[in-house]
Amino acid sequence: TQLLEQSPQFLSIQEGENLTVYCNSSSVFSSLQWYRQEPGEGPVLLVTVVTGGEVKKLKRLTFQFGDARKDSSLHITAAQTGDTGLYLCAGQSRRDSSYKLIFGSGTRLLVRP
Amino acid sequence: KAGVTQTPRYLIKTRGQQVTLSCSPISGHRSVSWYQQTPGQGLQFLFEYFSETQRNKGNFPGRFSGRQFSNSRSEMNVSTLELGDSALYLCASSLLGLAGGRTSLGSYNEQFFGPGTRLTVL
Repeated sequence: TQLLEQSPQFLSIQEGENLTVYCNSSSVFSSLQWYRQEPGEGPVLLVTVVTGGEVKKLKRLTFQFGDARKDSSLHITAAQTGDTGLYLCAGQSRRDSSYKLIFGSGTRLLVRP
Repeated sequence: KAGVTQTPRYLIKTRGQQVTLSCSPISGHRSVSWYQQTPGQGLQFLFEYFSETQRNKGNFPGRFSGRQFSNSRSEMNVSTLELGDSALYLCASSLLGLAGGRTSLGSYNEQFFGPGTRLTVL
């Protein structure tokens, strides 16, 4: 069974601080996606990384895909209250001709003013 | 462009009943995937439909089924409801589906999620 472990599960920080969320697996994924979900809404895609070692930046958010394509990290610089939400990583895998998107358990981030 | 819509948004059922949830994808998208989200298990993939055919399936019992119509709208059905079926059910639409890849415009295929249907089983 493929699993994606996210850490930490919960994070409460002060506005202006930096943070990193980790997403780890023993399995290789063809791509990895990061989503943010707010209460009462579905997840919204932030980024997709497909190449081992790839680094993508989205304003204050930096995403990295591990060289072996088994892990990823999300780093937020100078967090703002608007960054509050549930962050989910999701790995896309393929077995034979079947595709699946496997989600991590999520990191619930609270940014305090 | 209108987003993904799901109906109903909230539903209360009792054990043993059945339920049908509906999802209308973004216009032009042919893939609809369904997910179950619970506090304990997180977000789990149920199945994907592409051009009216089930193309991928997760590890859920046969009580969970779905279908897709020619206009790409999709329905998910859960029969003989159990307490553990209480969850947020999300659908996601995409142009290319879970097979992914890049669109003709060069952008990476993306899934767009609806707001979900919150099902409570009493």
